[in-house]
Amino acid sequence: QVQLVESGGGVVQPGGSLRLSCAASGFTFSSYGMHWVRQAPGKGLEWVAFIRYDGSNKYYADSVKGRFTISRDNSKNTLYLQMNSLRAEDTAVYYCAKVGGAEDYWGQGTLVTVSS
Amino acid sequence: SYELTQPPSVSVSPGQTARITCSGDALPKKYAYWYQQKSGQAPVLVIYEDSKRPSGIPERFSGSSSGTMATLTISGAQVEDEADYYCYSTDSSGNLWVFGGGTKLTVL
Repeated sequence: QVQLVESGGGVVQPGGSLRLSCAASGFTFSSYGMHWVRQAPGKGLEWVAFIRYDGSNKYYADSVKGRFTISRDNSKNTLYLQMNSLRAEDTAVYYCAKVGGAEDYWGQGTLVTVSS
Repeated sequence: SYELTQPPSVSVSPGQTARITCSGDALPKKYAYWYQQKSGQAPVLVIYEDSKRPSGIPERFSGSSSGTMATLTISGAQVEDEADYYCYSTDSSGNLWVFGGGTKLTVL
């Protein structure tokens, strides 16, 4: 069965860095583009970043461009999100997701809290 | 930046039809996706590519799109359909994805 398992969340000070990971299983990870989506406490869903199946193209929301980097290692079936220069407004649950089409998969999310 | 606009809330009685709209300038050329999210849970896809229903989603959920507006329709809404609903699509370039602000559906 398909699983997406995020890890790496935690508490970090403003200006700090964190790297999230998402381990995929149960589907051909290397064949699909992948997204990061976040949800601040009590707020709506916000798309963060997308990477193509082979890592050739990456796209970011304006709110994170220049601070976050999405990447993937298809040999390890793992998606990453490197987050630098973190701000209080980056506090959210971060989901990795394969979206588009009928086969739509989401992880359970990992909480990132940016606070001094 | 591109935006998708949804009403903040919709309220219906059980058995009535609920309609949630999503407007965006690129929707005439880009598919809309609809997600249901219940408190504390990850989103669940209920409609993809404007009007297709994933397996396991009840037939009372349907979608349509015309011009700059996509619509999620729940025919005969049930109490268990109470949730937040989000539309999701891309801008005209297809490279930037956006969620609508979400619509809280109340069924009571």
